[in-house]
Amino acid sequence: SQTIHQWPATLVQPVGSPLSLECTVEGTSNPNLYWYRQAAGRGLQLLFYSVGIGQISSEVPQNLSASRPQDRQFILSSKKLLLSDSGFYLCAWSGTEHEKLFFGSGTQLSVL
Amino acid sequence: GQNIDQPTEMTATEGAIVQINCTYQTSGFNGLFWYQQHAGEAPTFLSYNVLDGLEEKGRFSSFLSRSKGYSYLLLKELQMKDSASYLCAYMDSNYQLIWGAGTKLIIKP
Repeated sequence: SQTIHQWPATLVQPVGSPLSLECTVEGTSNPNLYWYRQAAGRGLQLLFYSVGIGQISSEVPQNLSASRPQDRQFILSSKKLLLSDSGFYLCAWSGTEHEKLFFGSGTQLSVL
Repeated sequence: GQNIDQPTEMTATEGAIVQINCTYQTSGFNGLFWYQQHAGEAPTFLSYNVLDGLEEKGRFSSFLSRSKGYSYLLLKELQMKDSASYLCAYMDSNYQLIWGAGTKLIIKP
């Protein structure tokens, strides 16, 4: 069966520090991979998605970047965090673009 | 444009029935999803509707009317564990999911 792992679960970082969140998927090949951010009282905001190794699409201009160095690995990064980067970050995968999403357990990021 | 709305919060009684509505406006549509999200956890898939009508899955049912841009999630025989946020999302013509802000459902004994 397919599983998705996301870590860390919580993270407290000072403003200006770097960020690296990692997500891996097991039990499937060539998944579509996604990074979302969820702010209180707002819908899930798609940050990045990837349909293959090295293929990254960015949905919103921001202080973040994403990379897919391996088929089932998706990394969310920042060189210098801002206060506004605080939020709940979710990684997700799907088999194809029109299928349901399976989410990782999420990372609660607090930038202080 | 992209516009999707659902109530912010609802309260219901254990054992009762509750209907959570979702309305959307879009020029391209490839289906509507409902997810359940417990506080601090990841969303989990509940249902998918692409054709008009009612889809029943145990205590949960989901309805879609494409002409009205309307969907609802019906929860029967409510249990305390159903206390969660319920997210609706439609898939647009580019197969991107557009998410509502979620409805927080509070179940009282």
